[in-house]
Amino acid sequence: ILNVEQSPQSLHVQEGDSTNFTCSFPSSNFYALHWYRWETAKSPEALFVMTLNGDEKKKGRISATLNTKEGYSYLYIKGSQPEDSATYLCASRYGNKLVFGAGTILRVKS
Amino acid sequence: DGGITQSPKYLFRKEGQNVTLSCEQNLNHDAMYWYRQDPGQGLRLIYYSQIVNDFQKGDIAEGYSVSREKKESFPLTVTSAQKNPTAFYLCASSSPTGASSYNSPLHFGNGTRLTVT
Repeated sequence: ILNVEQSPQSLHVQEGDSTNFTCSFPSSNFYALHWYRWETAKSPEALFVMTLNGDEKKKGRISATLNTKEGYSYLYIKGSQPEDSATYLCASRYGNKLVFGAGTILRVKS
Repeated sequence: DGGITQSPKYLFRKEGQNVTLSCEQNLNHDAMYWYRQDPGQGLRLIYYSQIVNDFQKGDIAEGYSVSREKKESFPLTVTSAQKNPTAFYLCASSSPTGASSYNSPLHFGNGTRLTVT
């Protein structure tokens, strides 16, 4: 069974802090890496889909990088805001299947 | 607005009863998926379907069944054979299918929380 690991499990930061999370995945047979944001009482929402080694994507204050050779991706949030509080999921695609990590819970205090 | 609708939001059943969770999408997506979430674990794939009248088992298909008679609908039945059915269930869809689907993000419903006592 393929294993996708996310760290840390949870994170509490102050408003304005910058933060980052890690997603580790098996690098063999890799197709794509997805990041999702899951706010309480809402459905998970796609942030990024990355496929190429060295890919970097940005959406506002959130950015992500991908290293397919060593099997990791970083998600960065610059100047965290309370509305960034959510669970951040990464998932790695292998063929027709998307394998999810357990997520990183981010809480931003104002 | 296009989206995925899961119903009901909460479902309570007695042990030994089958129960069907609804998932409908109007995004015209070909692929649909069912995931299960348990505390402290990632979303785990139960079943997926890439085209009408076809579906494949995911990693934890035992005790579940699905059908895909229409493009818009992918209901999940939790049977009495599922040993630990209490969980949060998420339905998702994506398009296109095949190799092009690797770049396609999933669109999720709001989920159904099933409690079996």
